Amino acid sequence: DADVTQTPRNRITKTGKRIMLECSQTKGHDRMYWYRQDPGLGLRLIYYSFDVKDINKGEISDGYSVSRQAQAKFSLSLESAIPNQTALYFCATSDTKSDRDYGYTFGSGTRLTVV
Amino acid sequence: DQQVKQNSPSLSVQEGRISILNCDYTNSMFDYFLWYKKYPAEGPTFLISISSIKDKNEDGRFTVFLNKSAKHLSLHIVPSQPGDSAVYFCAASLNAGKSTFGDGTTLTVKP
Repeated sequence: DADVTQTPRNRITKTGKRIMLECSQTKGHDRMYWYRQDPGLGLRLIYYSFDVKDINKGEISDGYSVSRQAQAKFSLSLESAIPNQTALYFCATSDTKSDRDYGYTFGSGTRLTVV
Repeated sequence: DQQVKQNSPSLSVQEGRISILNCDYTNSMFDYFLWYKKYPAEGPTFLISISSIKDKNEDGRFTVFLNKSAKHLSLHIVPSQPGDSAVYFCAASLNAGKSTFGDGTTLTVKP
């Protein structure tokens, strides 16, 4: 099994629908992140959580919400999906003590299309 | 305002030669820099990092150089191999916080 699992891998949804992307990890890491990648662009931070009771907005949090259900689970919700939220979404994890030397562990991504 | 920039969207090199990927940053408070590699249909994977108190870090064929006065870092891959063909992302972090990523450079290594 992958260290960081994202579900679904691909999703097509209609404008206005609520959708949830899920992320679970087996790394035992305390920190979790949601990033978004658009074609030709880098990874932009949506939300991050440094522990279960800590949730922080990233640079592009508008239109998104998150829930850290447990140390291992971090879900991202689009309350009312719009076409410009079509993108590749990545969940990542890191360990406070070692993330500078070992970086983030990323999931394989969720490709979301809003029509 | 983009704080981490990779100004070359793509780079093509011959197998066995050196690949040099560049990254510039604007925030002098960044204290750690990382490189990630990404293959299609996969998430990025961590490659190498460097602290702002160092100017060089080496791991096998990969070396990262940091020039703080120029706010510039580079990743050298020697020798380049076809399997190195991927998108490379530069990232920077501040005070053990979240990372800010550049837009990536697509490296193609030709056999």
